[in-house]
Amino acid sequence: KQEVTQIPAALSVPEGENLVLNCSFTDSAIYNLQWFRQDPGKGLTSLLLIQSSQREQTSGRLNASLDKSSGRSTLYIAASQPGDSATYLCAVIYNQGGKLIFGQGTELSVKP
Amino acid sequence: DTEVTQTPKHLVMGMTNKKSLKCEQHMGHRAMYWYKQKAKKPPELMFVYSYEKLSINESVPSRFSPECPNSSLLNLHLHALQPEDSALYLCASSQTPLPIQQYFGPGTRLTVT
Repeated sequence: KQEVTQIPAALSVPEGENLVLNCSFTDSAIYNLQWFRQDPGKGLTSLLLIQSSQREQTSGRLNASLDKSSGRSTLYIAASQPGDSATYLCAVIYNQGGKLIFGQGTELSVKP
Repeated sequence: DTEVTQTPKHLVMGMTNKKSLKCEQHMGHRAMYWYKQKAKKPPELMFVYSYEKLSINESVPSRFSPECPNSSLLNLHLHALQPEDSALYLCASSQTPLPIQQYFGPGTRLTVT
């Protein structure tokens, strides 16, 4: 079964900390992996997209890595800020099926 | 223009009402999607339109009826909904059909009373 798992489900950190969110997937035959941010009651904002041939992508304070052989991706957030508080969703498109499969999300709270 | 727009932002409807949700994109994308998201859960795919034709229906009840009048517009017609249908309804589009990066709209918050 094609699944995506995110750990932890919730995370609370003080402002300024560097942090890592984890995502694992069950099948290495993926087309791409995408990290989204979702604020309460709002839509999804795409943060980073990693194609299956890539190892990482960076945007500002965010860095996402992809290791297909181990079925894992991490989202690294440097120098966290209260404005980073949101739910972060990892989503995978598998080669077979082609649908976007979401993890359950990590709810991040950054305390001032 | 890299935006997907959705109207209305909020909708409250009774179980006997008929209403519609609207989604629009002007990026020239040829695939459009409807997702349903319950609180504290990830989005669930409902329908996929590819080149204005319905290509995927994820066994959604017939009280939800999608429509794609043209390549820029996607509607979701609602009729005889149940309170458990209350959720955030998200629209997305992509340049071509799956698998490829999807762009999401802000969603419509639907409450069924």
